[in-house]
Amino acid sequence: DIQMTQSPSSVSASVGDRVTITCRASQSISRWLVWYQQKPGKAPKLLIHTASSLESGVPSRFSGSGSGTDFTLTINNLQPEDFATYYCQQSDSFPLTFGGGTKVEI
Amino acid sequence: EVQLVETGGDLIQPGGSLTLSCAASGIIVNLNYMYWVRQAPGKGLEWVSVIHSGGIIHYADSVKGRFTISGDSSKNTLFLQMNNLRAEDTAVYYCARGNYGGYSLDYWGRGTLVTVSS
Repeated sequence: DIQMTQSPSSVSASVGDRVTITCRASQSISRWLVWYQQKPGKAPKLLIHTASSLESGVPSRFSGSGSGTDFTLTINNLQPEDFATYYCQQSDSFPLTFGGGTKVEI
Repeated sequence: EVQLVETGGDLIQPGGSLTLSCAASGIIVNLNYMYWVRQAPGKGLEWVSVIHSGGIIHYADSVKGRFTISGDSSKNTLFLQMNNLRAEDTAVYYCARGNYGGYSLDYWGRGTLVTVSS
């Protein structure tokens, strides 16, 4: 199974900050990497697929990069509604596996 | 508009059985990759199972042999039959649709809570 490791597990930030979250795969997954946002009590929301493709309706302050084993989610100009937990997921092969999550808090 | 609505969650004793349903609208269940993903209280996301009409069915090792995924085209509904439930199966269970090659989950239901406890 492909293991996904996210860091940091939590980050404190302020409105207007830039936040960077990293995700590392235990083996190369090319660009088969997905990012989700989850708010308390809600289902996850797809932000980015194929490492850097922004899902329709997602603000452009979100961006993704990387390939192989190392990936990054960047949130520019952090907004109040961005305080949430973010998960990466490899979309290369079954079993699908998720990172442990990164909580972005004030 | 796509909607996925899960039902069937309950409090169940260890060793018991339960069937979850996910009623879909706006998509055809049997033409898509359809998933069950769970989240234990205060924990992260865990993929459980996937089904696709192309003959694909997969399960996480943690549920293999105990859970069965299926779809009903007449009801446009996804199911998860869960047997021999354990305390560690306690979680919110989400159904979701796979897109962009099938492995990115773009539509999710609100989830249904399964609690396994005596």
